[in-house]
Amino acid sequence: EVQLVQSGAEVRKPGESLRISCKTSGYNFDTYWISWVRQMPGKGLEWMGRIDPRDSYTNYTASLQGHVTISVDKSISTAFLQWSSLKASDTGIYWCARHGVPVAPDKFFDFWGQGALVTVSS
Amino acid sequence: ENVLTQSPGTLSLSPGERATLSCRASQSVGSSYLAWYQQKFGQAPRLLIYATSRRATGIPDRFSGSGSGTDFILTISRLEPEDLAVYYCQHYGGSSLTFGGGTKVEIK
Repeated sequence: EVQLVQSGAEVRKPGESLRISCKTSGYNFDTYWISWVRQMPGKGLEWMGRIDPRDSYTNYTASLQGHVTISVDKSISTAFLQWSSLKASDTGIYWCARHGVPVAPDKFFDFWGQGALVTVSS
Repeated sequence: ENVLTQSPGTLSLSPGERATLSCRASQSVGSSYLAWYQQKFGQAPRLLIYATSRRATGIPDRFSGSGSGTDFILTISRLEPEDLAVYYCQHYGGSSLTFGGGTKVEIK
């Protein structure tokens, strides 16, 4: 059974760093791209960026380039999303999602994590 | 970037009625690159439809997708109470994977 299990809710102050995780199981981690999607309070879904676990190639939506970093640790089949300096506007729910076709960067998302609430407040 | 505009913002219908949700793209979308998701309150999104009209595994046949070019439709043929949710379309071709703003389906 394919599963994506995310780390828990986090509370940070503006300027602090954070890394959240998405542990996968039930499939060959190398084979499927992973994307991160955010949802600000009461708002819709926004794609943030994606990673190819085979070689850690990434690309990001233009507005977030340089603000977040997506990475993987293949040894534990886990993807990460991290910030070096959080802003209050980063408050929201963050979802990891598996691309629905092997080795394909531009695909729909067939499995999702349960979401992680990140609150950034002074 | 291909901007997706969903309408209406909210749809309020009774059980058994037909729901028609629209997704309009600012640039032409290949039919293989349009998906629909359902997000119930407090839950992760769930894939309903991909490649415009292909139902994902386990999705009831009352959900169907159609369209081409810049205009796409998600149809729920007979609404059930559990269909209360927000529905998002997504374009997944190319360098950016964009979502529409969502349509909220309310059950009267």
